[in-house]
Amino acid sequence: GAGVSQTPSNKVTEKGKYVELRCDPISGHTALYWYRQSLGQGPEFLIYFQGTGAADDSGLPNDRFFAVRPEGSVSTLKIQRTERGDSAVYLCASSQDTDNEQFFGPGTRLTVL
Amino acid sequence: AQSVTQLDSQVPVFEEAPVELRCNYSSSVSVYLFWYVQYPNQGLQLLLKYLSGSTLVKGINGFEAEFNKSQTSFHLRKPSVHISDTAEYFCAVTTRAGNQFYFGTGTSLTVIP
Repeated sequence: GAGVSQTPSNKVTEKGKYVELRCDPISGHTALYWYRQSLGQGPEFLIYFQGTGAADDSGLPNDRFFAVRPEGSVSTLKIQRTERGDSAVYLCASSQDTDNEQFFGPGTRLTVL
Repeated sequence: AQSVTQLDSQVPVFEEAPVELRCNYSSSVSVYLFWYVQYPNQGLQLLLKYLSGSTLVKGINGFEAEFNKSQTSFHLRKPSVHISDTAEYFCAVTTRAGNQFYFGTGTSLTVIP
């Protein structure tokens, strides 16, 4: 079956612009996670959805970052007024429940010029 | 809170030699432990996981890891590496009641012909 997919694979934007990153989880997975991976670092947690609701958004760095999952499947990570420090690979993962393996997508590489 | 330390940022090893990638974690509660591999321009792929039971866990591609609670370690081992094992390896921890994964900074394994 299909794995987690993320679009776009690469996004280049200018400082101050708005961007949206999309994640399609594995069908039937109720839990969805967003992580950010900076160069030379491990992934860092941003937000976790259980169904349609954000169960834990403690990893979002500031109020410029927001994520939604309106129908409990596809999720969109939204970044307003992008800054150069937002440049990173944004990873999405999904799982069938919260105690087991998270399946990761290939990521979206965001570059803010 | 939980944290993961991967002491070795880079590990070069000759083909067919054994390798050990070290991972230590910190947590005040019981944990689940994972090793993921990331090939260039690809997403994270699960190698193995420890949830409970036997402390010696076998994963894909001939890798294994041993959970040592007293030393709070979960080192990854392979008795004989191949060129195709060249990749970035990440150790991750989550709690039994938690959601997010805490990742180490990664170990870059380079297998030398």
